[in-house]
Amino acid sequence: DAGVIQSPRHEVTEMGQEVTLRCKPISGHNSLFWYRQTMMRGLELLIYFNNNVPIDDSGMPEDRFSAKMPNASFSTLKIQPSEPRDSAVYFCASGINSPLHFGNGTRLTVT
Amino acid sequence: AQSVTQLGSHVSVSEGALVLLRCNYSSSVPPYLFWYVQYPNQGLQLLLKYTSAATLVKGINGFEAEFKKSETSFHLTKPSAHMSDAAEYFCAAKSSSSNTGKLIFGQGTTLQVKP
Repeated sequence: DAGVIQSPRHEVTEMGQEVTLRCKPISGHNSLFWYRQTMMRGLELLIYFNNNVPIDDSGMPEDRFSAKMPNASFSTLKIQPSEPRDSAVYFCASGINSPLHFGNGTRLTVT
Repeated sequence: AQSVTQLGSHVSVSEGALVLLRCNYSSSVPPYLFWYVQYPNQGLQLLLKYTSAATLVKGINGFEAEFKKSETSFHLTKPSAHMSDAAEYFCAAKSSSSNTGKLIFGQGTTLQVKP
């Protein structure tokens, strides 16, 4: 089992650019979660999917953020346009009921 | 609404000393409870979980936690700290009636282990 796979591990981009973060959940898991971690706000749930359907996106900070899950083995989180305050570590996690399994995260730096 | 509170954002212990990380939850129905550990530049790893079976739960790396309904607590302990235990620890809760894996996390506690 390769675990939850996120790419890229690190992303540095300039303000205004589009950023796409990718996640491959563990095979067989039916729930997928996107979290953001910062020193100031800790772990924040952005959005989660159940059986590929978005269930709760109330944590998505702005319309600049969007997430998709076109199939059970792939999800993306897109930020367009990116801003410096989006700099954080973004985690993807998957599970079947509980507990959740986390990827190693994508560290995003927006300059 | 369900919430999780971790008392103390930073805890410092000497190597070999007892580790105690505090977690309280607020929920009208006892939830499922979890402790995760995060090492630098890594994701969160599950240490242990409580899902309404035994109230004393043993996890990996010598950690354990006890569910106390009367105190709405789920404190994490380890008898003897090791340098490798230095990390950030998160307590999390999930509604026992939920059919998704949605977790509510505490703010985290950074454990420092001094030689």
